[in-house]
Amino acid sequence: GQQVMQIPQYQHVQEGEDFTTYCNSSTTLSNIQWYKQRPGGHPVFLIQLVKSGEVKKQKRLTFQFGEAKKNSSLHITATQTTDVGTYFCAVPNTGTASKLTFGTGTRLQVTL
Amino acid sequence: DAGITQSPRYKITETGRQVTLMCHQTWSHSYMFWYRQDLGHGLRLIYYSAAADITDKGEVPDGYVVSRSKTENFPLTLESATRSQTSVYFCASLTPLNTEAFFGQGTRLTVV
Repeated sequence: GQQVMQIPQYQHVQEGEDFTTYCNSSTTLSNIQWYKQRPGGHPVFLIQLVKSGEVKKQKRLTFQFGEAKKNSSLHITATQTTDVGTYFCAVPNTGTASKLTFGTGTRLQVTL
Repeated sequence: DAGITQSPRYKITETGRQVTLMCHQTWSHSYMFWYRQDLGHGLRLIYYSAAADITDKGEVPDGYVVSRSKTENFPLTLESATRSQTSVYFCASLTPLNTEAFFGQGTRLTVV
């Protein structure tokens, strides 16, 4: 099945520091989605990237899709305690595009 | 209210018992999914459904059964619960253009 690696598994930063999580696929992707899950909550959609080299911003969050469409990153500038949670990438399955495969997630902890 | 709802939110059951987790969505999305979430494994797909009466196995289907007699409902049944099935279960539906997955609040299941 579809394999997607996400790193790091965990990151602890001080408030104000930047944070980046990476998602890597062995196959070319049609698109990639990012989700955030707050502690005790459920995953919530953040964004979808479709085009090669695409960069999208949401306030302090910057999402990139690699030129080869095999990797993606989520960068948070000047983290805040509200950024705490686990960030997942999700990619469509190569066989069934509507079946999403999630990365293992990066858990972000932010302390004052 | 529009959305996707799961019930129960919490469940404790004994080994060997049958238990059914309910999922209901109000959007009439065609695709629905069941994931389980365990520490270190991210979100793993159990079963998914492309439409009423169409279901297929995901990554970890053993010990689970699903049905989809109506578009809006997608129950997940553990036929004979085992301790290894202790987990948080999430139901999700996918928008028509596969651009976003909406998750329910989750069911925390403990098998003792």
